[in-house]
Amino acid sequence: EAGVAQSPRYKIIEKRQSVAFWCNPISGHATLYWYQQILGQGPKLLIQFQNNGVVDDSQLPKDRFSAERLKGVDSTLKIQPAKLEDSAVYLCASSPRGGRSGYTFGSGTRLTVV
Amino acid sequence: GNSVTQMEGPVTLSEEAFLTINCTYTATGYPSLFWYVQYPGEGLQLLLKATKADDKGSNKGFEATYRKETTSFHLEKGSVQVSDSAVYFCALSDNTDKLIFGTGTRLQVFP
Repeated sequence: EAGVAQSPRYKIIEKRQSVAFWCNPISGHATLYWYQQILGQGPKLLIQFQNNGVVDDSQLPKDRFSAERLKGVDSTLKIQPAKLEDSAVYLCASSPRGGRSGYTFGSGTRLTVV
Repeated sequence: GNSVTQMEGPVTLSEEAFLTINCTYTATGYPSLFWYVQYPGEGLQLLLKATKADDKGSNKGFEATYRKETTSFHLEKGSVQVSDSAVYFCALSDNTDKLIFGTGTRLQVFP
């Protein structure tokens, strides 16, 4: 089966600019997650979707980050305006039945804010 | 809250050496436990998992046993290869269906 697709692979922007990341999960996977992985740290959950509804966005900095999952398939994560500390790898993952069955991760988008 | 603690890296070994990467967890209830691997420039890949106490997960020569009495899920491999060089993440999934990761342990294997 095709994996989780993410784009772009790399992005460099200046602080205060905006940026968007895209994720296409594995077909049929109801649960989709966005994680932020800062260099040298483990991934941290930003938001969890079940179909097109938000299950948990408690760790999402809502003053600058937003995410949507239209029609319960693709998802977009946006940052506006970006800060230097947003430099990280943004990982998308999907799962057919939530985390207990294991997630499939995309290759991630490496964001550098200068 | 729920958390995962991993040993600090890097772990540096010669090829064919025995590997242990320690992982302990704090969680209420009965979490599922995972090891993920991240090769340079790539995304996270599920290495192995265990869903209940005393289960042993295994894959590609790696093993880990879910020990509820010691709240541990240590990763082991009898003979490492240069190609095993990567960052290894221990993680748990609780009843909220979220994966909570440790900080990762970098493994470097030299010929």
